[in-house]
Amino acid sequence: SQKIEQNSEALNIQEGKTATLTCNYTNYSPAYLQWYRQDPGRGPVFLLLIRENEKEKRKERLKVTFDTTLKQSLFHITASQPADSATYLCALDTTGGGNKLTFGTGTQLKVEL
Amino acid sequence: DGGITQSPKYLFRKEGQNVTLSCEQNLNHDAMYWYRQDPGQGLRLIYYSQIVNDFQKGDIAEGYSVSREKKESFPLTVTSAQKNPTAFYLCASSIQRASMNTEAFFGQGTRLTVV
Repeated sequence: SQKIEQNSEALNIQEGKTATLTCNYTNYSPAYLQWYRQDPGRGPVFLLLIRENEKEKRKERLKVTFDTTLKQSLFHITASQPADSATYLCALDTTGGGNKLTFGTGTQLKVEL
Repeated sequence: DGGITQSPKYLFRKEGQNVTLSCEQNLNHDAMYWYRQDPGQGLRLIYYSQIVNDFQKGDIAEGYSVSREKKESFPLTVTSAQKNPTAFYLCASSIQRASMNTEAFFGQGTRLTVV
């Protein structure tokens, strides 16, 4: 079956360390992959979009990689801060060019002092 | 301010009743979406619309209905056929471009509880 999988267990890291979150997908060939942040009780907020011909994309302390051979995207937060604590979701279009945006299950990140 | 607005924020429904969740956007986006989120779960797509007067079923459309009579509005009706409607409902919109995936903007959600 078609799936978008993220680490289901919460990730706890110390402040200042790099957090790495994983998004794996099967049976899709997406042209793009997106990452969102969601705080409790609120709607997700867009962070980054990476295209299939881009190996890596950066925005301030955020870095996303996209390996279409492995069917995997990695999301890194460097110099993590307690304010980075949230759930992070990956999403991709599952129609190959349309706008059917399908989300992964999300990974909860907690950055501790 | 441009944005996407969902109302109400909290909604209580008696069993057997239909309820309608409102979603309005003034971003001039063509595409709109409805998602359902259960505690500790990801977002599951209910319906989406790429243009006025047209919409497609998502992965969990049973027990739900939508309409798209205006570009800025995409209301979701939770019918009595939906057996487990208690959840957090999120509406989103995005620019519709051929062969181009664009970011989605989300509303603040409606928390529906069946009492």
